[in-house]
Amino acid sequence: GAVVSQHPSRVICKSGTSVKIECRSLDFQATTMFWYRQFPKQSLMLMATSNEGSKATYEQGVEKDKFLINHASLTLSTLTVTSAHPEDSSFYICRIDTMNTEAFFGQGTRLTVV
Amino acid sequence: DAKTTQPPSMDCAEGRAANLPCNHSTISGNEYVYWYRQIHSQGPQYIIHGLKNNETNEMASLIITEDRKSSTLILPHATLRDTAVYYCIVRVGGGNQGGKLIFGQGTELSVKP
Repeated sequence: GAVVSQHPSRVICKSGTSVKIECRSLDFQATTMFWYRQFPKQSLMLMATSNEGSKATYEQGVEKDKFLINHASLTLSTLTVTSAHPEDSSFYICRIDTMNTEAFFGQGTRLTVV
Repeated sequence: DAKTTQPPSMDCAEGRAANLPCNHSTISGNEYVYWYRQIHSQGPQYIIHGLKNNETNEMASLIITEDRKSSTLILPHATLRDTAVYYCIVRVGGGNQGGKLIFGQGTELSVKP
């Protein structure tokens, strides 16, 4: 069964508004979660590492004030795209690592900013 | 930057084995090789991983060369549902837990009837 639940799967928002994406660990406690972004015809790009109880670590070129990450519990991390613009339209995916050796990805969220 | 090199695309006949190569010539001694695949508009799906020994599970086999500079993912009997983009990833940060998974461009595998 699924170990990661990502919600929503699709969202359309108006330019200038904010959108929150949730990533839940279903079977275990995750102290670290990861957020990726994927543009059409391109590979996944790591955006940030979400750490439970502390600030997220952002990859170079990713604006931390635009992509707000909150990891308030061991089973939930949220990514908020603030003041969204059409260029933020993308496929956003979270990842959770299990205690053994596997990393699992969420189903992804297709964000369209109009 | 990604540390792996894969062919951009491959075709395979349904029912035949699909052999997907990957070069990772700069791999470190404690870095693992992971394979994922992504079907259109879905999150990546874990396939298999290994350090230096060959590995097999219900989905695929992973063959790693002795010098660990390259590997091959084998889907023994490809089906149409195996059509996807396959990513070979070296786990940066060492070890088998945590660390960044940096995706390259992957191989787009098309399984044809």
